[in-house]
Amino acid sequence: TQLLEQSPQFLSIQEGENLTVYCNSSSVFSSLQWYRQEPGEGPVLLVTVVTGGEVKKLKRLTFQFGDARKDSSLHITAAQPGDTGLYLCAGAGRGTYKYIFGTGTRLKVLA
Amino acid sequence: GAVVSQHPSWVICKSGTSVKIECRSLDFQATTMFWYRQFPKQSLMLMATSNEGSKATYEQGVEKDKFLINHASLTLSTLTVTSAHPEDSSFYICSAGLDRLTPYEQYFGPGTRLTVT
Repeated sequence: TQLLEQSPQFLSIQEGENLTVYCNSSSVFSSLQWYRQEPGEGPVLLVTVVTGGEVKKLKRLTFQFGDARKDSSLHITAAQPGDTGLYLCAGAGRGTYKYIFGTGTRLKVLA
Repeated sequence: GAVVSQHPSWVICKSGTSVKIECRSLDFQATTMFWYRQFPKQSLMLMATSNEGSKATYEQGVEKDKFLINHASLTLSTLTVTSAHPEDSSFYICSAGLDRLTPYEQYFGPGTRLTVT
């Protein structure tokens, strides 16, 4: 069974601070996605990474896929209250499009 | 584009009754749909993979006779929670995707909150 552990589980920071969320597994993934979910809503896709070592940027968010495709990180620069939410990574193994979700990181950015 | 809807958005039912939740892809045809459940303050847990015109594939530990999934068309999948009990209360979310995309991308519905009393 593929397991995706995210750290930290909870994070409360002040507006303007930087933060990094990690997503780790012992399994190799063919692709990995990051989502953000607001309370009472479905997750919204932020990015998909597929190549080991790949780095993608989305405004203040930087996503990296580990060289071995077993881990990933999400870095947020100058966090804003609008970044508050549950961040989820999800990985799919080779030959499958079934994504397994990570344990989640709940972020709260205080104004 | 790539909008997925769910109906109802929330439902309250009595213990022992059955509840049907619909998942529709509004502007694309989805060969595959996925059903997840999410307990408060937890991550999403994949329940089953639903392919149009064939039987759903259930994840380990998910009772297929309790959670009936039908994917009758390329735009509609339904999840029926049979003989619901309070422990079935949860947030149920579906996703749909185009499996010709590489990498595969799925689009999530807004979720259905089920409360069993």
